[in-house]
Amino acid sequence: DGGITQSPKYLFRKEGQNVTLSCEQNLNHDAMYWYRQDPGQGLRLIYYSQIVNDFQKGDIAEGYSVSREKKESFPLTVTSAQKNPTAFYLCASSRERYTGELFFGEGSRLTVL
Amino acid sequence: AQTVTQSQPEMSVQEAETVTLSCTYDTSESDYYLFWYKQPPSRQMILVIRQEAYKQQNATENRFSVNFQKAAKSFSLKISDSQLGDAAMYFCAYRSTRQGGSEKLVFGKGTKLTVNP
Repeated sequence: DGGITQSPKYLFRKEGQNVTLSCEQNLNHDAMYWYRQDPGQGLRLIYYSQIVNDFQKGDIAEGYSVSREKKESFPLTVTSAQKNPTAFYLCASSRERYTGELFFGEGSRLTVL
Repeated sequence: AQTVTQSQPEMSVQEAETVTLSCTYDTSESDYYLFWYKQPPSRQMILVIRQEAYKQQNATENRFSVNFQKAAKSFSLKISDSQLGDAAMYFCAYRSTRQGGSEKLVFGKGTKLTVNP
């Protein structure tokens, strides 16, 4: 079945550590996205990529980094510079770069201890 | 920048009844997409319904329908014959079609729907 796989589902991290969240899709979609979800805040865009080897900052990119070396993969690194990293992270993809809906993974819950 | 507002943080409905969730948005564009997403307790976002702004006809998907009022910039979701499985967070989202602004969806803050048996 086609879809988006995020791993791990739950992750605990000590302060000062970097952590990488994985996102893989087998939908052959061009565009991929990372959103952060906090209670009462909806979804906020961290980074997005319209094509391999290219990505753009979203609304809250500070303290995060991404790469897009393969069409199928768009990992997100939460760095120690992110001041409040505890959140739910959602990866998504879109068949077209500029139109249509997003398809989402099941999300990753990051907790900083 | 476009904004999406969901004015009802929480709603409740009796099983088998009908409920309407509100969404308004702010844009100066004439062509765009609107979406309703459902996020159940499992937390995976699921597309419920989509509407293209150039289409006057309101979108319908089984028990889910929208009331799209373009001039009023309103996009409400009606759930008919509510079922226990409809209990979830519902998010309204906007996507521009303008290059340079269409790369992302802008989400509202969500409405938590409770379905009472």
